Amino acid sequence: NAGVTQTPKFQVLKTGQSMTLQCAQDMNHNSMYWYRQDPGMGLRLIYYSASEGTTDKGEVPNGYNVSRLNKREFSLRLESAAPSQTSVYFCASSVSPGANVLTFGAGSRLTVL
Amino acid sequence: DQQVKQNSPSLSVQEGRISILNCDYTNSMFDYFLWYKKYPAEGPTFLISISSIKDKNEDGRFTVFLNKSAKHLSLHIVPSQPGDSAVYFCAASVGGGSNYKLTFGKGTLLTVNP
Repeated sequence: NAGVTQTPKFQVLKTGQSMTLQCAQDMNHNSMYWYRQDPGMGLRLIYYSASEGTTDKGEVPNGYNVSRLNKREFSLRLESAAPSQTSVYFCASSVSPGANVLTFGAGSRLTVL
Repeated sequence: DQQVKQNSPSLSVQEGRISILNCDYTNSMFDYFLWYKKYPAEGPTFLISISSIKDKNEDGRFTVFLNKSAKHLSLHIVPSQPGDSAVYFCAASVGGGSNYKLTFGKGTLLTVNP
């Protein structure tokens, strides 16, 4: 049972480069989320998808775009990376938006130089 | 403005003793609270939760206490084990648990010494 799989695990970018973080879940969950975690900060929600075909902004959406490709996959794109986007990114999923238990991926560590 | 506060960045306890992790919140609209545990290089995993209609919830060695008047919750781990060493995040939500309204604290690093 893979759960939530994120790729890549590590990435180094130069300022202005673009990249996409991929996330897939195999639990038939309806809702998916992207969080970022910075040193000394809690997890902050970037974007979420309550169900296939919908996406909405979270607390810190600026500089990011998302795509809910299908029920399994939810990608996060940085169009023009900035050093402030250096962070650890976590994808998560849940049965529904109102189901409290989130299942997280292992994280993707992104460094923007 | 941090709505969920974990004021102790770290806590160290001896194996077999009780670990108490604390969490304070400021938003009186929060009505569902959760604890997540995170090991290095892994994602957080759900540990235990409590609704605001309760003041205590137990699951094995883990108990969460909620004091609504003080806007305070705590996680008790008894007895503590070295495998409990991890970062513990407190989280709170509004409206019975909508995940897009989930607010996390900064986390507390628990170290259980053998």
